[in-house]
Amino acid sequence: RKEVEQDPGPFNVPEGATVAFNCTYSNSASQSFFWYRQDCRKEPKLLMSVYSSGNEDGRFTAQLNRASQYISLLIRDSKLSDSATYLCVVTTSGTYKYIFGTGTRLKVLA
Amino acid sequence: DAGVTQSPTHLIKTRGQQVTLRCSPKSGHDTVSWYQQALGQGPQFIFQYYEEEERQRGNFPDRFSGHQFPNYSSELNVNALLLGDSALYLCASSHLRTGERELFFGEGSRLTVL
Repeated sequence: RKEVEQDPGPFNVPEGATVAFNCTYSNSASQSFFWYRQDCRKEPKLLMSVYSSGNEDGRFTAQLNRASQYISLLIRDSKLSDSATYLCVVTTSGTYKYIFGTGTRLKVLA
Repeated sequence: DAGVTQSPTHLIKTRGQQVTLRCSPKSGHDTVSWYQQALGQGPQFIFQYYEEEERQRGNFPDRFSGHQFPNYSSELNVNALLLGDSALYLCASSHLRTGERELFFGEGSRLTVL
């Protein structure tokens, strides 16, 4: 079983739609969680950290469910510029490596 | 404020050759991590350097080695290249002393092994 699993998609949605991605992780000792965004042939960039209480940044909302070991990302009012791959990232206490999922590809259609 | 810079951006090698990739971390950062990203996959952790020492290593063979210099810049060396080493190699920097968790990535070095 992969340490971090994501549905690779692609998710094709119309502009203005709401779309949600889930990510599951296998290590219950996982400590920190992030969503990174990666545009085609570019480097990953931090979209947002994910906190136990959930957090929101504009149209983006991230949630963490430790009991079920998954994190989610909700994008409201999708824009064409949201088209990208969204990478789920998990770290574990006592290690220095960030474990990335394979990414979920989103395409927002005009 | 300079971000993470990597060189070269693209390179082509043949099987059995050796390659050296270079990375300069974001200004003020002291920690450098290297990741390999194959097509259609997420980045995979190779190793991390701090204070010129390898702190942790991922599941990569000894053909992958690295170095960190006193100015915090880093090199990734891959010996005896295989076709499967073709990938985007990403360098990421962070600031361990402040506990900042965000990784800042360079644009990567795209390696093609023929």
